[in-house]
Amino acid sequence: EDKVVQSPLSLVVHEGDTVTLNCSYEVTNFRSLLWYKQEKKAPTFLFMLTSSGIEKKSGRLSSILDKKELFSILNITATQTGDSAVYLCAVGTAGNKLTFGGGTRVLVKP
Amino acid sequence: NAGVMQNPRHLVRRRGQEARLRCSPMKGHSHVYWYRQLPEEGLKFMVYLQKENIIDESGMPKERFSAEFPKEGPSILRIQQVVRGDSAAYFCASSTGTYISEAFFGQGTRLTVV
Repeated sequence: EDKVVQSPLSLVVHEGDTVTLNCSYEVTNFRSLLWYKQEKKAPTFLFMLTSSGIEKKSGRLSSILDKKELFSILNITATQTGDSAVYLCAVGTAGNKLTFGGGTRVLVKP
Repeated sequence: NAGVMQNPRHLVRRRGQEARLRCSPMKGHSHVYWYRQLPEEGLKFMVYLQKENIIDESGMPKERFSAEFPKEGPSILRIQQVVRGDSAAYFCASSTGTYISEAFFGQGTRLTVV
């Protein structure tokens, strides 16, 4: 059975801090790894990673994939209160199926 | 995200009743995915459908749950004889079907069974 594990489960930081979220996976027929942000509503897409070692960046967010060690990290620098959310990692496999991790709940305090 | 429409947003059912959740995909999308999210948990895959076909239902409970995506109209997730454990948020996503990364999620239906 495909498995995606995220850590930590939750964390609390102050504005300006940097956070690093982890996602490890064990799946069959890996195609892509995706990060989503969920704030009490629909998950919104952040990144898709398919190749090892290539960093994707979008503003203060960045992510990288290690296909040998089967994990990805999502970094958020200079955090703001608007970054408070649940961050979901999902792995896409052949057959167009997404397997999600349990999420990391981030709370950024002013 | 606004393009995938789910209704109702909130649904309350008594134990034993039926729940019908609807999902209208984004224009031009012919692939629909249903996910369930229990409180404090991640999204769990339920079923993947194309128009008039169920492609992968490996995440669907064997009993009481069914899904369809007819040629015309929205995709329907149907839960018969609901129980308290069915209380969850049900999200639908749609895509063109090429790669899952093109999937966009709806706002979800929060089902509460009382």
